[in-house]
Amino acid sequence: QVQLQQSGAELVKPGSSVKISCKASGYTFTSYDMHWIKQQPGNGLEWIGWIYPGNGNTKYNQKFNGKATLTADKSSSTAYMQLSSLTSEDSAVYFCARTEGPNWFAYWGQGTLVTVSS
Amino acid sequence: DTVLTQSPALAVSPGERVSISCRASEGVNSYMHWYQQKPGQQPKLLIYKASNLASGVPARFSGSGSGTDFTLTIDPVEADDTATYFCQQSWNDPRTFGGGTKLELK
Repeated sequence: QVQLQQSGAELVKPGSSVKISCKASGYTFTSYDMHWIKQQPGNGLEWIGWIYPGNGNTKYNQKFNGKATLTADKSSSTAYMQLSSLTSEDSAVYFCARTEGPNWFAYWGQGTLVTVSS
Repeated sequence: DTVLTQSPALAVSPGERVSISCRASEGVNSYMHWYQQKPGQQPKLLIYKASNLASGVPARFSGSGSGTDFTLTIDPVEADDTATYFCQQSWNDPRTFGGGTKLELK
């Protein structure tokens, strides 16, 4: 069965960067886009972008250009998202999600809480 | 960006029928999807492409609509349906989500 296992919670300082991971299993990692989605406390969901691990192609929501960088390691079936120049506005839960279709998010990781605080 | 508008909250009694609406600021064809999220959990896909039931989802859930107006219906509502429901469109770039409708049971 498809599983997406994300890395643990992070407490980071303003101005720093953080890299979170999403390890995929149960399917061919290189054949499906991996998406990343942000959820701030009490707020809705924002789509950040996707990476196609098969060739490394990426697409970003313009709002997150320069903030998020998506990469993938085919050897370990792991997708990564690095967030840079962190501010309090980046404090959120971040989910990885795999599509079907390829339009709807059929599989989700459990989420990674990033807290930006000095 | 395509804005998806949902009513913030609804309260219903178990056994009743509830309809949750989602209105798009521009047409999204039939590319509207619905998710259920319980506190502390990741969202779960319920309906894809407006009216298709996702695998393993009870037939009490159904979806309808096209263009700009969409509805998720739960009939009958059960206690376990207490959650926040989000719509999401994938027709226009970037993909966007509604603000969510919190469903509470009386």
